[in-house]
Amino acid sequence: GNSVTQMEGPVTLSEEAFLTINCTYTATGYPSLFWYVQYPGEGLQLLLKATKADDKGSNKGFEATYRKETTSFHLEKGSVQVSDSAVYFCALYNFNKFYFGSGTKLNVKP
Amino acid sequence: DAGVIQSPRHEVTEMGQEVTLRCKPISGHDYLFWYRQTMMRGLELLIYFNNNVPIDDSGMPEDRFSAKMPNASFSTLKIQPSEPRDSAVYFCASTRDRGPSGNTIYFGEGSWLTVV
Repeated sequence: GNSVTQMEGPVTLSEEAFLTINCTYTATGYPSLFWYVQYPGEGLQLLLKATKADDKGSNKGFEATYRKETTSFHLEKGSVQVSDSAVYFCALYNFNKFYFGSGTKLNVKP
Repeated sequence: DAGVIQSPRHEVTEMGQEVTLRCKPISGHDYLFWYRQTMMRGLELLIYFNNNVPIDDSGMPEDRFSAKMPNASFSTLKIQPSEPRDSAVYFCASTRDRGPSGNTIYFGEGSWLTVV
């Protein structure tokens, strides 16, 4: 079947620290992979995506590489800001359905 | 584009009342999804439509929940009768089938439901 597993939060970092949020997936075929971000009181917004193996998605300083050999799509950012505090969801799209992870809450302290 | 539009944004209702949530997908999108988000269960897919036809409603929790899509620009999620455990944020989302190039799903801002 298809599923996404991401690290549990909350993750608390100081401003300018390095961020990694782990995401692994199980899927048949060739899914597309996504990271979505949810700010307090808002809906989910696309952060970045990758549609095939070895693709790197990037946006706003965040990046993630589609690793088929390890079935992973880890989210990274070199220097987080307080404004990055949000919940981050890893997701995959396969056979007309989206599958979301449980979300990882990130708190960035000044 | 206006994005996915949901209403109401917030609703507080009494147990036993009927609740109707509304959604207008992005124009040209042929897939529409209803999700429910709670602290305990995270983001759950309730039902999705393709070209206005329900394709998979296996996530609908009970017969109290029903969803319709009478045309390409409008969908409703109805709860009758409502119960306190239905309190959650309900998201509508839409996408367009792009085949192998991959899709992006666009979410509305959610309807925050509280049943007291």
